[in-house]
Amino acid sequence: DAGVIQSPRHEVTEMGQEVTLRCKPISGHNSLFWYRQTMMRGLELLIYFNNNVPIDDSGMPEDRFSAKMPNASFSTLKIQPSEPRDSAVYFCASSLAGGRSYEQYFGPGTRLTVT
Amino acid sequence: AQSVTQLGSHVSVSEGALVLLRCNYSSSVPPYLFWYVQYPNQGLQLLLKYTSAATLVKGINGFEAEFKKSETSFHLTKPSAHMSDAAEYFCAVSADSGGGADGLTFGKGTHLIIQP
Repeated sequence: DAGVIQSPRHEVTEMGQEVTLRCKPISGHNSLFWYRQTMMRGLELLIYFNNNVPIDDSGMPEDRFSAKMPNASFSTLKIQPSEPRDSAVYFCASSLAGGRSYEQYFGPGTRLTVT
Repeated sequence: AQSVTQLGSHVSVSEGALVLLRCNYSSSVPPYLFWYVQYPNQGLQLLLKYTSAATLVKGINGFEAEFKKSETSFHLTKPSAHMSDAAEYFCAVSADSGGGADGLTFGKGTHLIIQP
C-alpha cells in the first residue's frame, strides 16, 4: 500500500490567499484525521471524520479553516484567508475504526509557509 | 478530557546506554496509549501501543514501554541506544474506544540525542 498521501509537500503563499491541502487515506480505512504541528503548540488535532462524516471539529482554530471529505478516498483542509500564524506542518492520518490495531497511520505532512 | 506530559524536552544518552523517555497521562476513562517517533522532515511512525492487553508492550526497533496505572505512566525504554535512534519521540493518548476512531492527544515531544 502507498500509505497516506498528502499534497502538496510544501506550500508557500502570501497572507490573504486561499490554501488547500489534500489527503488520500489508506484504502479501506474509514477514519481520517487532520493534525497541525508547530514549535509553540506541538501536535494538535484539528478535526476528524468517521465514514466521511465530521465527528469533532473543536480543534479547528477559527472559521478561516474548513475541512471536507467528499468520499472515502479524499479529504481537503482549506484555509481562507491565510495568515502568517497558520505557518505549520499539517499532517493527515487515517485508521480503521473498530479494527483491532487502534493505529493511526500518518502521511508525510504538508509544510505551509504564509508570508 | 485527556492530557499527556513528557518530562524532558531533550534527553541525551551515550551510544549503547539505556534509553528512558518519560510519559505521564491523565484520562477520565481507561486510556489507550501510544509512542510515535518522528525523524527530521518526516511523518510520525508508531513505535508501540497499549490497548488494555499486556501492561508491558514491545515495539519496533527494540523499544518497549510499561503501562503503570497506579503511576499514570507509560515510560519508553530501550536497553542499548543506537545512533539511528536519534529522533523526536511523542507519547499520545486516545479516548475510550481506542478503535482508531478517536483523535490522539500528544505530549510536547522529547528530542533524543545519541552521543557517540
